[in-house]
Amino acid sequence: GAGVSQSPSNKVTEKGKDVELRCDPISGHTALYWYRQSLGQGLEFLIYFQGNSAPDKSGLPSDRFSAERTGGSVSTLTIQRTQQEDSAVYLCASSWDSNYGYTFGSGTRLTVV
Amino acid sequence: AQTVTQSQPEMSVQEAETVTLSCTYDTSESNYYLFWYKQPPSRQMILVIRQEAYKQQNATENRFSVNFQKAAKSFSLKISDSQLGDTAMYFCASSTGSARQLTFGSGTQLTVLP
Repeated sequence: GAGVSQSPSNKVTEKGKDVELRCDPISGHTALYWYRQSLGQGLEFLIYFQGNSAPDKSGLPSDRFSAERTGGSVSTLTIQRTQQEDSAVYLCASSWDSNYGYTFGSGTRLTVV
Repeated sequence: AQTVTQSQPEMSVQEAETVTLSCTYDTSESNYYLFWYKQPPSRQMILVIRQEAYKQQNATENRFSVNFQKAAKSFSLKISDSQLGDTAMYFCASSTGSARQLTFGSGTQLTVLP
């Protein structure tokens, strides 16, 4: 597509439930990134996919967080047993070379109540 | 490890005036890239300008320019003729060839006043 598409735009969930966030990157971009942005804060790196290589999961805050990327395209970020501190905007970005910057999606605002 | 520091959480400027946002970074790499991103209330992060560290010439994109001081590890963004649409959060970021993700600063909220 023309840009990075994320869904849903907003998600309200109850504490303890699992959620899935979806990212559809720009066609041809081999790199895909997930970042978390808490209220009024900067961007916290979560996970990075590059082609068929093993993902860099070094930013995932706990084992409740996982992500996959199917067929080198669409990615899903899953948060299990959500906690209130998981409330944030989750941003996805894609790139063909990080040294040229990323193209970001509009994010998913997750609210855990 | 890279770090990026933005020491101005909030700034404001009158419409049509010029404003400069500060950013410092720290890296042990010799080859790296620096970026400014804009995040308006829509949440969409937009790339404003990019600088390659090995280039001495400061990058310029229309009303946006940078002052890149490599020795001081400083990378400030100048916005000329500020417009109401420039109101946004601005993030400074860096990347290197060895690090595969961008490192972001904490952001500066810029408000352009009519």
